Amino acid sequence: EVQLVESGGGLVQPGGSLRVSCLASGFTFSSHWMSWVRQSPGRGLEWVAHIKEDGSQRFYVDSVKGRFILSRDNAENSLYLEMKTVKVEDTAVYYCVRWSRADLTFDHWGHGTLVTVSS
Amino acid sequence: YDLTQPPSVSVSPGQTATITCSGDRLGDKYASWYQQMAGQSPVLIIYQDSKRPSGIPERFSGSNSGNTATLTISGTQAMDEADYYCQAWDSRNAWAFGGGTVLTVL
Repeated sequence: EVQLVESGGGLVQPGGSLRVSCLASGFTFSSHWMSWVRQSPGRGLEWVAHIKEDGSQRFYVDSVKGRFILSRDNAENSLYLEMKTVKVEDTAVYYCVRWSRADLTFDHWGHGTLVTVSS
Repeated sequence: YDLTQPPSVSVSPGQTATITCSGDRLGDKYASWYQQMAGQSPVLIIYQDSKRPSGIPERFSGSNSGNTATLTISGTQAMDEADYYCQAWDSRNAWAFGGGTVLTVL
Protein backbone atom coordinates (compact mmCIF):
# COMPACT_ATOMS: atom_id res chain seq x y z
CA GLU A 1 0.00 0.00 0.00
CA VAL A 2 1.33 3.40 -1.01
CA GLN A 3 1.82 5.67 1.99
CA LEU A 4 3.02 9.25 2.15
CA VAL A 5 3.49 10.62 5.66
CA GLU A 6 4.29 14.29 6.11
CA SER A 7 5.85 15.85 9.18
CA GLY A 8 7.55 19.02 10.31
CA GLY A 9 4.69 21.49 10.13
CA GLY A 10 4.12 24.04 12.85
CA LEU A 11 4.13 27.70 13.74
CA VAL A 12 6.81 29.94 12.26
CA GLN A 13 7.22 33.69 12.31
CA PRO A 14 7.19 35.74 9.11
CA GLY A 15 10.68 35.80 7.65
CA GLY A 16 11.60 32.57 9.40
CA SER A 17 12.41 29.11 8.10
CA LEU A 18 10.91 25.66 8.37
CA ARG A 19 11.49 22.27 6.77
CA VAL A 20 8.68 19.83 6.09
CA SER A 21 9.36 16.21 5.26
CA CYS A 22 7.59 13.31 3.62
CA LEU A 23 8.37 9.66 4.23
CA ALA A 24 7.26 7.36 1.42
CA SER A 25 6.57 3.64 1.55
CA GLY A 26 4.83 0.93 -0.41
CA PHE A 27 6.38 1.78 -3.77
CA THR A 28 9.73 2.37 -5.45
CA PHE A 29 10.28 5.96 -4.38
CA SER A 30 13.35 6.45 -6.58
CA SER A 31 11.27 5.80 -9.71
CA HIS A 32 8.72 8.53 -9.16
CA TRP A 33 8.49 12.25 -9.63
CA MET A 34 7.14 13.90 -6.48
CA SER A 35 5.38 17.17 -5.68
CA TRP A 36 4.21 19.35 -2.85
CA VAL A 37 0.72 20.79 -3.15
CA ARG A 38 -0.64 23.23 -0.57
CA GLN A 39 -4.06 24.35 0.54
CA SER A 40 -4.59 27.56 2.45
CA PRO A 41 -7.40 27.52 5.04
CA GLY A 42 -10.73 27.50 3.27
CA ARG A 43 -9.08 27.78 -0.13
CA GLY A 44 -8.30 25.59 -3.11
CA LEU A 45 -5.32 23.48 -4.05
CA GLU A 46 -2.10 25.05 -5.29
CA TRP A 47 0.83 23.17 -6.78
CA VAL A 48 4.05 24.37 -5.10
CA ALA A 49 7.05 22.39 -6.32
CA HIS A 50 8.05 19.26 -8.20
CA ILE A 51 11.18 17.13 -8.41
CA LYS A 52 12.19 14.46 -10.86
CA GLU A 53 12.98 10.95 -9.68
CA ASP A 54 16.73 11.48 -9.52
CA GLY A 55 16.56 15.06 -8.25
CA SER A 56 18.10 16.35 -11.48
CA GLN A 57 15.35 18.88 -12.13
CA ARG A 58 13.09 20.88 -9.88
CA PHE A 59 10.22 23.17 -10.71
CA TYR A 60 8.53 25.79 -8.55
CA VAL A 61 5.45 27.98 -8.65
CA ASP A 62 6.51 31.60 -9.13
CA SER A 63 5.39 32.68 -5.66
CA VAL A 64 7.97 30.47 -3.92
CA LYS A 65 10.89 30.66 -6.34
CA GLY A 66 14.05 31.74 -4.53
CA ARG A 67 12.51 31.01 -1.11
CA PHE A 68 11.66 27.28 -1.14
CA ILE A 69 14.05 24.45 -1.92
CA LEU A 70 12.80 20.98 -2.80
CA SER A 71 15.06 17.98 -2.33
CA ARG A 72 14.89 14.24 -1.92
CA ASP A 73 16.89 11.39 -0.46
CA ASN A 74 16.08 8.24 -2.39
CA ALA A 75 18.09 6.08 0.02
CA GLU A 76 15.79 7.24 2.81
CA ASN A 77 12.61 7.32 0.71
CA SER A 78 12.17 10.91 1.79
CA LEU A 79 11.11 14.20 0.26
CA TYR A 80 11.88 17.57 1.81
CA LEU A 81 10.69 21.14 1.37
CA GLU A 82 12.93 23.78 2.90
CA MET A 83 10.90 26.95 3.35
CA LYS A 84 12.81 30.19 3.87
CA THR A 85 11.76 33.81 4.27
CA VAL A 86 8.23 32.59 4.82
CA LYS A 87 5.26 34.89 4.45
CA VAL A 88 1.82 34.93 6.04
CA GLU A 89 0.40 33.79 2.69
CA ASP A 90 2.47 30.58 2.91
CA THR A 91 0.13 29.42 5.68
CA ALA A 92 -1.41 26.19 4.43
CA VAL A 93 -1.67 22.45 4.71
CA TYR A 94 1.20 21.03 2.67
CA TYR A 95 0.52 17.72 0.94
CA CYS A 96 3.18 15.35 -0.33
CA VAL A 97 1.93 13.93 -3.62
CA ARG A 98 3.14 11.26 -6.00
CA TRP A 99 3.08 12.07 -9.72
CA SER A 100 2.44 9.29 -12.19
CA ARG A 101 4.38 9.93 -15.39
CA ALA A 102 2.49 7.15 -17.12
CA ASP A 103 -0.94 8.54 -16.28
CA LEU A 104 0.01 12.23 -15.99
CA THR A 105 -1.82 12.59 -12.71
CA PHE A 106 -1.32 12.93 -8.96
CA ASP A 107 -2.25 9.40 -7.99
CA HIS A 108 -1.47 9.33 -4.25
CA TRP A 109 -1.68 12.02 -1.59
CA GLY A 110 -0.42 12.21 1.96
CA HIS A 111 -2.53 13.43 4.87
CA GLY A 112 -0.80 16.80 4.92
CA THR A 113 1.07 18.88 7.47
CA LEU A 114 -0.07 22.33 8.59
CA VAL A 115 2.32 25.25 8.37
CA THR A 116 1.18 28.44 10.07
CA VAL A 117 3.07 31.66 9.48
CA SER A 118 2.19 34.19 12.12
CA SER A 119 3.79 36.57 14.57
CA TYR B 1 -1.98 28.06 -16.83
CA ASP B 2 -5.42 28.95 -15.52
CA LEU B 3 -8.29 26.54 -14.99
CA THR B 4 -11.76 27.85 -14.14
CA GLN B 5 -14.48 25.94 -12.29
CA PRO B 6 -17.90 27.06 -11.03
CA PRO B 7 -17.69 27.73 -7.27
CA SER B 8 -20.70 25.59 -6.50
CA VAL B 9 -23.08 23.07 -8.01
CA SER B 10 -26.25 21.71 -6.46
CA VAL B 11 -28.01 18.48 -7.36
CA SER B 12 -30.88 16.41 -6.03
CA PRO B 13 -30.19 12.85 -4.89
CA GLY B 14 -30.37 10.41 -7.78
CA GLN B 15 -29.89 13.11 -10.39
CA THR B 16 -26.87 13.86 -12.55
CA ALA B 17 -24.30 16.42 -11.45
CA THR B 18 -22.08 18.12 -14.00
CA ILE B 19 -18.96 20.07 -13.05
CA THR B 20 -17.00 21.91 -15.72
CA CYS B 21 -13.38 23.01 -15.92
CA SER B 22 -12.28 25.52 -18.54
CA GLY B 23 -8.82 26.34 -19.80
CA ASP B 24 -7.10 27.41 -22.99
CA ARG B 25 -6.93 24.36 -25.27
CA LEU B 26 -7.56 22.12 -22.29
CA GLY B 27 -8.66 19.42 -24.69
CA ASP B 28 -5.05 19.16 -25.88
CA LYS B 29 -3.96 18.15 -22.38
CA TYR B 30 -4.98 15.39 -20.03
CA ALA B 31 -7.38 16.42 -17.27
CA SER B 32 -7.64 14.83 -13.85
CA TRP B 33 -10.30 15.22 -11.19
CA TYR B 34 -9.93 14.95 -7.42
CA GLN B 35 -12.55 14.62 -4.73
CA GLN B 36 -11.91 16.15 -1.32
CA MET B 37 -14.24 15.30 1.50
CA ALA B 38 -14.44 17.67 4.44
CA GLY B 39 -11.28 17.49 6.53
CA GLN B 40 -9.62 14.90 4.31
CA SER B 41 -6.92 14.74 1.66
CA PRO B 42 -7.85 14.87 -2.02
CA VAL B 43 -8.47 11.56 -3.77
CA LEU B 44 -7.97 10.92 -7.49
CA ILE B 45 -11.26 9.96 -9.17
CA ILE B 46 -10.60 10.60 -12.88
CA TYR B 47 -7.35 10.71 -14.84
CA GLN B 48 -6.47 11.01 -18.52
CA ASP B 49 -9.82 12.77 -19.04
CA SER B 50 -12.05 9.73 -18.52
CA LYS B 51 -10.27 6.86 -16.75
CA ARG B 52 -11.23 5.76 -13.26
CA PRO B 53 -8.74 4.38 -10.75
CA SER B 54 -9.67 1.07 -9.19
CA GLY B 55 -12.24 1.46 -6.47
CA ILE B 56 -13.88 4.55 -7.91
CA PRO B 57 -17.58 3.96 -8.61
CA GLU B 58 -18.80 3.84 -12.21
CA ARG B 59 -21.16 6.75 -11.58
CA PHE B 60 -18.13 9.03 -11.90
CA SER B 61 -17.17 9.78 -15.51
CA GLY B 62 -15.22 12.42 -17.37
CA SER B 63 -14.70 13.95 -20.77
CA ASN B 64 -12.47 16.62 -22.25
CA SER B 65 -12.73 18.51 -25.52
CA GLY B 66 -11.96 21.96 -26.83
CA ASN B 67 -11.50 24.25 -23.86
CA THR B 68 -13.62 22.31 -21.37
CA ALA B 69 -13.25 19.19 -19.26
CA THR B 70 -16.36 17.83 -17.59
CA LEU B 71 -16.90 15.64 -14.54
CA THR B 72 -20.25 13.87 -14.51
CA ILE B 73 -21.71 12.11 -11.49
CA SER B 74 -24.68 9.95 -12.41
CA GLY B 75 -27.19 8.95 -9.76
CA THR B 76 -25.61 11.34 -7.28
CA GLN B 77 -25.63 10.15 -3.69
CA ALA B 78 -25.44 12.10 -0.44
CA MET B 79 -21.97 10.67 0.10
CA ASP B 80 -20.79 12.49 -3.03
CA GLU B 81 -21.03 15.85 -1.26
CA ALA B 82 -17.48 17.16 -1.42
CA ASP B 83 -15.17 19.63 -3.10
CA TYR B 84 -14.03 18.69 -6.60
CA TYR B 85 -10.90 19.94 -8.29
CA CYS B 86 -9.74 19.63 -11.88
CA GLN B 87 -6.06 19.56 -12.73
CA ALA B 88 -3.93 19.57 -15.85
CA TRP B 89 -0.23 19.48 -16.62
CA ASP B 90 1.19 22.12 -18.88
CA SER B 91 4.17 21.25 -21.06
CA ARG B 92 6.08 24.18 -19.54
CA ASN B 93 6.33 22.00 -16.43
CA ALA B 94 3.54 23.67 -14.55
CA TRP B 95 0.89 21.78 -12.69
CA ALA B 96 -2.39 23.71 -12.54
CA PHE B 97 -5.50 23.21 -10.43
CA GLY B 98 -8.92 24.69 -10.88
CA GLY B 99 -10.34 26.75 -8.04
CA GLY B 100 -12.59 23.92 -6.90
CA THR B 101 -16.31 23.29 -6.95
CA VAL B 102 -18.44 22.62 -3.89
CA LEU B 103 -21.00 19.94 -4.71
CA THR B 104 -24.14 20.07 -2.60
CA VAL B 105 -26.62 17.22 -2.70
CA LEU B 106 -29.94 18.70 -1.62
